[in-house]
Amino acid sequence: DAGITQSPRHKVTETGTPVTLRCHQTENHRYMYWYRQDPGHGLRLIHYSYGVKDTDKGEVSDGYSVSRSKTEDFLLTLESATSSQTSVYFCAIRGTSGVYNEQFFGPGTRLTVL
Amino acid sequence: DQQVKQNSPSLSVQEGRISILNCDYTNSMFDYFLWYKKYPAEGPTFLISISSIKDKNEDGRFTVFLNKSAKHLSLHIVPSQPGDSAVYFCAAQASGGSYIPTFGRGTSLIVHP
Repeated sequence: DAGITQSPRHKVTETGTPVTLRCHQTENHRYMYWYRQDPGHGLRLIHYSYGVKDTDKGEVSDGYSVSRSKTEDFLLTLESATSSQTSVYFCAIRGTSGVYNEQFFGPGTRLTVL
Repeated sequence: DQQVKQNSPSLSVQEGRISILNCDYTNSMFDYFLWYKKYPAEGPTFLISISSIKDKNEDGRFTVFLNKSAKHLSLHIVPSQPGDSAVYFCAAQASGGSYIPTFGRGTSLIVHP
């Protein structure tokens, strides 16, 4: 267990409202990632962070922003939610046991935008 | 353009038989490959990996084979069990940089009792 939690686990919101998803880790890992999973698309990277206040865009970053003010927390914000952002969102951290490391994923947040 | 392709969206296998999941990649800079397993309503979990300096890695019932010249890898599960029913994601990454893997779209494996 890599000590990753996500909140909320489920959320239903309306188009145009802002939404913030939280990822919390307990093991002081440097790298954190946000993915979305959609049928037929697999896991697509939204944003990632390589340290406090250090973030960068992934392949599907439009409409999303992130913040990392503490090592343990990585927030994903949908500034104005749209129906196309209905998805399951996963947070992940990168292990630190060697040069090549697997990722550990949180349990996911299911977001529905009506 | 997909750099990591899992061309079979689904696979159905009988319990006890071999399951073979395939993955192709296009980026010759990829030098580390991973398989993840995902059950419904859970996050993906790491299953097995292989470095490009090897052509095979085995862990219990799971074996990953890498054919660099063909840019192809496969995951073999022997014998398959009903509990192996899940979505399997192939991922590839290049050394250095920000350690960002590129994922395939996944293959849904169903193992029938």
